[in-house]
Amino acid sequence: DSGVTQTPKHLITATGQRVTLRCSPRSGDLSVYWYQQSLDQGLQFLIQYYNGEERAKGNILERFSAQQFPDLHSELNLSSLELGDSALYFCASSPPGGVGNYGYTFGSGTRLTVV
Amino acid sequence: QKEVEQDPGPLSVPEGAIVSLNCTYSNSAFQYFMWYRQYSRKGPELLMYTYSSGNKEDGRFTAQVDKSSKYISLFIRDSQPSDSATYLCAIPNQAGTALIFGKGTTLSVSS
Repeated sequence: DSGVTQTPKHLITATGQRVTLRCSPRSGDLSVYWYQQSLDQGLQFLIQYYNGEERAKGNILERFSAQQFPDLHSELNLSSLELGDSALYFCASSPPGGVGNYGYTFGSGTRLTVV
Repeated sequence: QKEVEQDPGPLSVPEGAIVSLNCTYSNSAFQYFMWYRQYSRKGPELLMYTYSSGNKEDGRFTAQVDKSSKYISLFIRDSQPSDSATYLCAIPNQAGTALIFGKGTTLSVSS
């Protein structure tokens, strides 16, 4: 157990629907990162939150949004889902001090299948 | 040119072989270099971390950075079937706000 908890583990939904993925970071970590992993694109950075505030955006679609709550858990919302959104979605957390100093701890991911 | 490039493989070796995994990167300002290992259906886990140039050894694993060539390598000695996984190189982006990952090299070690 890495200490980063992601729920649900699997999600199957239809095109056009909206889903919410949840992540609880490791105790003491203030930063949460969301990544999408697909076979052709690899691990793609979506967005980072630090202590409740958005810090950095990567290749996140406008249909996707995220937030981090006061208890530091984070949610990634995916709407108007398309077949191409099927992927593994990972959450990672890191302690204060920057990713260069400590790297990330990843959760076990949510496998999203859009049918 | 992509910021981090990695040969996806797959790479198949017999048990006991020496494995070399490689990545190239484009930005000479990068200072921190990491290798993650990802088992099937699991999240990536940090395997090795190096700063600047040179080698770092941890058991059967050695991480090497050549900043003049913008080339990073991971060597696995005496490879074991339990080393079968996908290995991803990772570098912090220029702003230091996130890690950029290579696409990963899938390694299979047969007994």
